[in-house]
Amino acid sequence: DIVMTQTPLSLPVTPGEPASISCRSSESLLHTDDGDTYLDWYFQKPGQSPQLLIYTLSYRASGVPDRFSGSGTGTAFTLNISRVEAEDFGLYYCMQRIDFPYTFGQGTKLENK
Amino acid sequence: QVQLVQSGAEVKKPGASVRLSCKASGYIFITYGVSWLRQAPGQGPEWMGWISAYSGDRQYAQKFLGRMTVTTDISTSTAYMELRSLTSDDTGTYFCARDSGATGLTWGQGTPVIVSS
Repeated sequence: DIVMTQTPLSLPVTPGEPASISCRSSESLLHTDDGDTYLDWYFQKPGQSPQLLIYTLSYRASGVPDRFSGSGTGTAFTLNISRVEAEDFGLYYCMQRIDFPYTFGQGTKLENK
Repeated sequence: QVQLVQSGAEVKKPGASVRLSCKASGYIFITYGVSWLRQAPGQGPEWMGWISAYSGDRQYAQKFLGRMTVTTDISTSTAYMELRSLTSDDTGTYFCARDSGATGLTWGQGTPVIVSS
């Protein structure tokens, strides 16, 4: 199975400041046939289901504000929030879906500093 | 808009089975797959299995092989997941998700499952 490693596990941020979360995979998530990198980012608030933020490395899901952006290479990925807003506090997960079983990072808790 | 509405909470005894449903709307059901995932209390999500609504092809995580079955009913745009031989370790919230190879997972609201004697 592909192992996903997220850092940091906890990230205190002051609203209005930027935030950055890293994720690494044990194998490349770059699909050589189509050139896409199958790495997604999900956001979860307590008591809610995870919601898709970024898919296929860098594409924002419908309705996701443009302060969120995803980037990376085949095994190293970053989720950036340009200016954190109050509604952004919660858990962030990276997930690979280049191969079954899909696997997740441990999660990063974005907290109000 | 895309919606996946899951069945209600379940309480089961150890050794029992549970069958959960997931009714999809807002998209053409057979053009996507459905993944099933779960989340134990205080833990991150765990992917369990997937089914193509078009072909019926299935994939399961190794730990659920032989204990889990995923199916679909195209006539009602509903996916089902059965998990057998439940133990307390199966307690958690179970999610279905529309699975697009191109655009990631769109999750249902989740079904809590409690396994307790």
